[in-house]
Amino acid sequence: DIQMTQSPSSVSASVGDRVTITCRASQGISTWLAWYQQKPGKAPQLLIFDASSLQTGVPSRFSGSGSGTDFTLTISSLQPEDFATYYCQQAHSFPRTFGQGTKLEIK
Amino acid sequence: EVHLVESGGGLIQPGGSLRLSCAASGFTVSSLYMSWVRQTPGKGLEWVSVLYSGGSTYYADSVRGRFTMSRDNSKNTVFLQMNSLRVEDTAVYYCARDMYTAMDVWGQGTTVTVSS
Repeated sequence: DIQMTQSPSSVSASVGDRVTITCRASQGISTWLAWYQQKPGKAPQLLIFDASSLQTGVPSRFSGSGSGTDFTLTISSLQPEDFATYYCQQAHSFPRTFGQGTKLEIK
Repeated sequence: EVHLVESGGGLIQPGGSLRLSCAASGFTVSSLYMSWVRQTPGKGLEWVSVLYSGGSTYYADSVRGRFTMSRDNSKNTVFLQMNSLRVEDTAVYYCARDMYTAMDVWGQGTTVTVSS
């Protein structure tokens, strides 16, 4: 199975800050990577697919990059509604695997 | 509008069985992949199973042999039959439309609690 490791596990930031979350795969997955946002008590929502493609309806302050084993999710200017937990997920092969999550908290 | 609604969760004793349902609207489940993903309390996400458009299935090692995924095309619904349930199967179960590159539509989740 492909292991996905996110860092940091939590981060504190302020509205307007730029935040970057990283995700590393245990083997190369080309650009078969997705990012999700999850708020408490809600289902995950897709933000990014194919490592850098923005899902319809997602604000342009979200962006993704990377290929192979190293990936990043960047939020260019944090908004109050962005405080949530973020997960990466590899779509290279089954079983699908997720990172352990990064909790983005208000400073 | 594309929508998924799960049902069938509840409290069940270890060793028992439950069948989860996921009713879809706005698209046809038989034309795409569908996956189940679970989330244990306070923990992260664990992919459980996928049902391919052709009807084949694939399962996580943790549930293989105990869980079975299927669909009813006439009802546009997918199911997860869960047998020999264990305490560690306690989780919120989500169904999701799996576009292979990502899971782009998720249901609201249904809670399964396995406890004596």
